[in-house]
Amino acid sequence: LAKTTQPISMDSYEGQEVNITCSHNNIATNDYITWYQQFPSQGPRFIIQGYKTKVTNEVASLFIPADRKSSTLSLPRVSLSDTAVYYCLVGDPTNFGNEKLTFGTGTRLTIIP
Amino acid sequence: DGGITQSPKYLFRKEGQNVTLSCEQNLNHDAMYWYRQDPGQGLRLIYYSQIVNDFQKGDIAEGYSVSREKKESFPLTVTSAQKNPTAFYLCASRGGEGAYNEQFFGPGTRLTVL
Repeated sequence: LAKTTQPISMDSYEGQEVNITCSHNNIATNDYITWYQQFPSQGPRFIIQGYKTKVTNEVASLFIPADRKSSTLSLPRVSLSDTAVYYCLVGDPTNFGNEKLTFGTGTRLTIIP
Repeated sequence: DGGITQSPKYLFRKEGQNVTLSCEQNLNHDAMYWYRQDPGQGLRLIYYSQIVNDFQKGDIAEGYSVSREKKESFPLTVTSAQKNPTAFYLCASRGGEGAYNEQFFGPGTRLTVL
């Protein structure tokens, strides 16, 4: 499984755009990149997933360069409710034998009023 | 509503006792997972199951046991062999077609050993 590296923590002010980068140098050809958000004492929830270039949904954008060795989660105009831990995962969604999805320590994002 | 339920939300156990955490899903998902989370840490995989009557050890399976007799249920037993069981336990499931890597998580069970 591809190992991921993220910053341990980040701070940002309300209304700013926040970009969290994840490194995954050993990403395999069939791997997708997925981001989860976790609030204290809750289970993580899916935010966004992508394979290459750019993916956007109603809450975030995911930017993946051509070499796919890193990815950036972009949260537009953050609010206090975006304070959470964000996890980057890499894995092959079509390989049901590859179930050992590993969550690293994540990035603890704190939004400042 | 479809989803994953875990019970109880809080659980206290005396040292030397076994305890079973419940996880049920009505999402018709084949794969189910158990994770452990310690304060300030990420999630570590305990066991996972891809199909009924089959399960695999994760990274920290020692001191834990599971069963998968029904598609909807994946209970986790924390045995007395687990030396430091106090933690937050999360159950998740993943579907098949179109679900990619998305896992759906339950609300968690916080286990405290007294």
